[in-house]
Amino acid sequence: GAVVSQHPSWVICKSGTSVKIECRSLDFQATTMFWYRQFPKQSLMLMATSNEGSKATYEQGVEKDKFLINHASLTLSTLTVTSAHPEDSSFYICSATSRLDSPLHFGNGTRLTVT
Amino acid sequence: GDSVTQMEGPVTLSEEAFLTINCTYTATGYPSLFWYVQYPGEGLQLLLKATKADDKGSNKGFEATYRKETTSFHLEKGSVQVSDSAVYFCALSDPGAGSYQLTFGKGTKLSVIP
Repeated sequence: GAVVSQHPSWVICKSGTSVKIECRSLDFQATTMFWYRQFPKQSLMLMATSNEGSKATYEQGVEKDKFLINHASLTLSTLTVTSAHPEDSSFYICSATSRLDSPLHFGNGTRLTVT
Repeated sequence: GDSVTQMEGPVTLSEEAFLTINCTYTATGYPSLFWYVQYPGEGLQLLLKATKADDKGSNKGFEATYRKETTSFHLEKGSVQVSDSAVYFCALSDPGAGSYQLTFGKGTKLSVIP
């Protein structure tokens, strides 16, 4: 079946540095990708929706200058957490679909810890 | 706005026990309802779904019925196995919200012991 690869699975970085998370669709063209964040004991929250070749659409309350999303190809989207702070520590998950009426396929998630 | 409420975990059951994980929702339109499962070390996978009232989704022995009158979509399995140990997320997709956006519950961790 369709596979979405998310990398890295975990990362520890120092406060003030930037971290890039990659989300790749391995066997289908992902026209739309979604990025989610989950804080401990909280729901998965949608951060942004990205369509290939277009600017991402961010959910209310998500800083687009802090969470840079690039969806330059039909198989790759990246989320860059810029100038990370400890409060950005969270679990980030991407999902991808080839069409909006097709199933979503999720990556394994990335555990980000900012020290 | 849309929201999903599911029972807090963790839930610990013995093998072959009956499982129920409650899920209720609020939505402005007529949502589709989903259960996703995340096994240890893996990504979320769609377990089952229902797109309209009274539909029953089923997969791998799990079932959930879309109850519009009670705005619920409880997950059930008659006899759980150790391999069912995972985190289960209830979610909805409201077409009125635009695009294919999911609203998730907080997740319920299930541990099945032999």
